[in-house]
Amino acid sequence: ETGVTQSPTHLIKTRGQQVTLRCSSQSGHNTVSWYQQALGQGPQFIFQYYREEENGRGNFPPRFSGLQFPNYSSELNVNALELDDSALYLCASSIGVAGFQETQYFGPGTRLLVL
Amino acid sequence: AQTVTQSQPEMSVQEAETVTLSCTYDTSENNYYLFWYKQPPSRQMILVIRQEAYKQQNATENRFSVNFQKAAKSFSLKISDSQLGDTAMYFCAFSQWVAGNNRKLIWGLGTSLAVNP
Repeated sequence: ETGVTQSPTHLIKTRGQQVTLRCSSQSGHNTVSWYQQALGQGPQFIFQYYREEENGRGNFPPRFSGLQFPNYSSELNVNALELDDSALYLCASSIGVAGFQETQYFGPGTRLLVL
Repeated sequence: AQTVTQSQPEMSVQEAETVTLSCTYDTSENNYYLFWYKQPPSRQMILVIRQEAYKQQNATENRFSVNFQKAAKSFSLKISDSQLGDTAMYFCAFSQWVAGNNRKLIWGLGTSLAVNP
């Protein structure tokens, strides 16, 4: 069974640029959740995708957007990067709704640094 | 708003001893799930143990067990026979409805645990 993978592992961008982070969900999982973890903090929920539709969103501005593909992999896009966007971005997959399974399994994260 | 509080920012324990990490939460839901995750320096968030609120029996996973007190909204993690590999940041998390049957995780600030040889 393949676990959750994320790419890239590290990324450095400058203010105002755009970034795309990628996540492949665990085999058999149809739901992907994205979290932002600032240094020394617990993760904060960004949004969740279930069967290619956004299924809930946290307190993040519209410049944070996402996609989920038919194979349930997902992208997180951030436009107009700000210094405060520097963080570890975590992707988690789970089984949603029918075949409901509560537990979210996490990838290794992408460390984004905005200069 | 639903919140999760971890009151111990840092803890340390000697190898082979037992340590308990505290967590309290606030919710108006009746059926929910609670989790402990560990995050070692490698950054990957690893599930340690989970508890379903409708189950009165405390969850156990090998050396890890919880003390779940629903009325008190308390969910502590006990690590027995601590090992050097247990050194990590430990996060308590509560699952909150998002939509349909899906949930998001609300996290505490974490407890940094150091296991000393």
